[in-house]
Amino acid sequence: QQPVQSPQAVILREGEDAVINCSSSKALYSVHWYRQKHGEAPVFLMILLKGGEQKGHDKISASFNEKKQQSSLYLTASQLSYSGTYFCGTEGRAGGTSYGKLTFGQGTILTVHP
Amino acid sequence: SAVISQKPSRDICQRGTSLTIQCQVDSQVTMMFWYRQQPGQSLTLIATANQGSEATYESGFVIDKFPISRPNLTFSTLTVSNMSPEDSSIYLCSVEEVERYEQYFGPGTRLTVT
Repeated sequence: QQPVQSPQAVILREGEDAVINCSSSKALYSVHWYRQKHGEAPVFLMILLKGGEQKGHDKISASFNEKKQQSSLYLTASQLSYSGTYFCGTEGRAGGTSYGKLTFGQGTILTVHP
Repeated sequence: SAVISQKPSRDICQRGTSLTIQCQVDSQVTMMFWYRQQPGQSLTLIATANQGSEATYESGFVIDKFPISRPNLTFSTLTVSNMSPEDSSIYLCSVEEVERYEQYFGPGTRLTVT
């Protein structure tokens, strides 16, 4: 089942903060976050593993609530370069057969204006 | 992270023909995957390319339509067979490095079928 991302789109001014949520109906082993700009391939941002810690670098961080099967991506003090479509990819690892297989959400379009 | 290249970067093909897409990585990787991204959509996993054995396909994708080879730990090909306009998409390979869980995408192959 495809994870559900919210919101579908968000518009910010430079310097504002945003939160993007990713929710799954199945138990998760890991959550991967990517940013994709128009005409380019998705770029890896970070991965959160079951039992792991909240991750972050620079002004982008993420959390993973295993019990709720949810992850959130936090973008603080947004910059113009943050614009793009953000995807979460979830991995279930049920019985080992889904190792490494990611199911992606529908994406969240983030637009940052000057 | 691994450096991934894909060939061709784009192509325009006639219906009924086949196209083989190559994915080359500059280091040995454990897992290689092939995804499809239709215009304006999210990413969908086609199959896992297993080194030395048959690929593992996801629901809705079959070997006759999307044959995959992976002769070694750094190279894989995806063939889109008997193409129709519905196959027009971006095809991306992704890799997961040895003993790491992060997955990185190649630059993609933009396919247009007329």
